[in-house]
Amino acid sequence: NAGVMQNPRHLVRRRGQEARLRCSPMKGHSHVYWYRQLPEEGLKFMVYLQKENIIDESGMPKERFSAEFPKEGPSILRIQQVVRGDSAAYFCASSPGLFGGYTFGSGTRLTVV
Amino acid sequence: AQSVTQLDSHVSVSEGTPVLLRCNYSSSYSPSLFWYVQHPNKGLQLLLKYTSAATLVKGINGFEAEFKKSETSFHLTKPSAHMSDAAEYFCVVSPLNAGGTSYGKLTFGQGTILTVHP
Repeated sequence: NAGVMQNPRHLVRRRGQEARLRCSPMKGHSHVYWYRQLPEEGLKFMVYLQKENIIDESGMPKERFSAEFPKEGPSILRIQQVVRGDSAAYFCASSPGLFGGYTFGSGTRLTVV
Repeated sequence: AQSVTQLDSHVSVSEGTPVLLRCNYSSSYSPSLFWYVQHPNKGLQLLLKYTSAATLVKGINGFEAEFKKSETSFHLTKPSAHMSDAAEYFCVVSPLNAGGTSYGKLTFGQGTILTVHP
């Protein structure tokens, strides 16, 4: 079992470009969560998805950020027109649903230059 | 609503001495509580979790935590610190559903950085 796979591990983007972060959940897990960790801070919830559905996006910035979890393939967190303030570590977690057992990926560290 | 307060942003101990990392929580629902550890530039590793069973929870690497409802606390302890324990530790809360399993989004504390001196 490969665990939660996130790629890329490190991503550098210039201001105004788009960033795409991918998360493949653990086998058998149908629930995916995205969290953001700003420097010197704890993780903050962004969005909770199940296959083809957004369940809770209360932590997502209103503009430029979107997330999806298609029927096939990984979950994608997309940030359009990145700004310096988007520089952070983005973590994905998955769970089998109502049984808890959140497993985190190693994160994607986004740097906006 | 739920929240987590980690009472110390930094804790420093000598190798071989006890570790205490303090955490208080607030939750509108019966909570599920976790401790995660994050080594520099690494992902998060689950140390232990409480989900309404035994109040004293044993985790990996000799860590344990006690759920005290009257004090709304879930402090993390270890009898003897090792150099490899140096990392950042996060206390995390999630609401429990009626079936006693946790669901929904996690709320993280601000983290406690543990330093271990030789």
